[in-house]
Amino acid sequence: DGGITQSPKYLFRKEGQNVTLSCEQNLNHDAMYWYRQDPGQGLRLIYYSQIVNDFQKGDIAEGYSVSREKKESFPLTVTSAQKNPTAFYLCASASGRVVNIQYFGAGTRLSVL
Amino acid sequence: KNQVEQSPQSLIILEGKNCTLQCNYTVSPFSNLRWYKQDTGRGPVSLTIMTFSENTKSNGRYTATLDADTKQSSLHITASQLSDSASYICVVSWLIYNQGGKLIFGQGTELSVKP
Repeated sequence: DGGITQSPKYLFRKEGQNVTLSCEQNLNHDAMYWYRQDPGQGLRLIYYSQIVNDFQKGDIAEGYSVSREKKESFPLTVTSAQKNPTAFYLCASASGRVVNIQYFGAGTRLSVL
Repeated sequence: KNQVEQSPQSLIILEGKNCTLQCNYTVSPFSNLRWYKQDTGRGPVSLTIMTFSENTKSNGRYTATLDADTKQSSLHITASQLSDSASYICVVSWLIYNQGGKLIFGQGTELSVKP
């Protein structure tokens, strides 16, 4: 099946712990994105990458880190510096740059213990 | 400030009825506008995408309209079904010189279809 796979579906973080959310795509898309979704708010961009080994900060990058070592993979690490990590995290990928459709994964719900 | 505002925030309709969701935006320069459907606990799925030169686009029972002059879009759902219950998100692509497009997301309209 072609698509974007996020794992795990649910994740719990302890105080002071770093956790990593996985995002894999087999759509051969160059661009990948990480968004955070909070209740009653629009999706907010955390980080994005338009090509392997390159990524840029989005609107709310503080407390997060990413890597893009392979075209298919764009993992997101939620560090202990992110003081309010509880949210629904969505990964997306797209081809092209301007007129494109972003395809989203099923999401990871992160909660703090 | 580039913003996308959706109304209503939530909507309850009976199965079989039609409904219209609204999206107003202040994004400029504008590249394209998309409507996504997001089921609870799932990722958004694209319904339609329109450039500034398109006035309407359909996808089955979903019809989106765009008025680039007034910066308004609507999503009309015909003969609603229980499976239409979801959040509908309006997304506008903001054209940034030499950087491609940046997406501005609305907060979504929560639609509930009752039997």
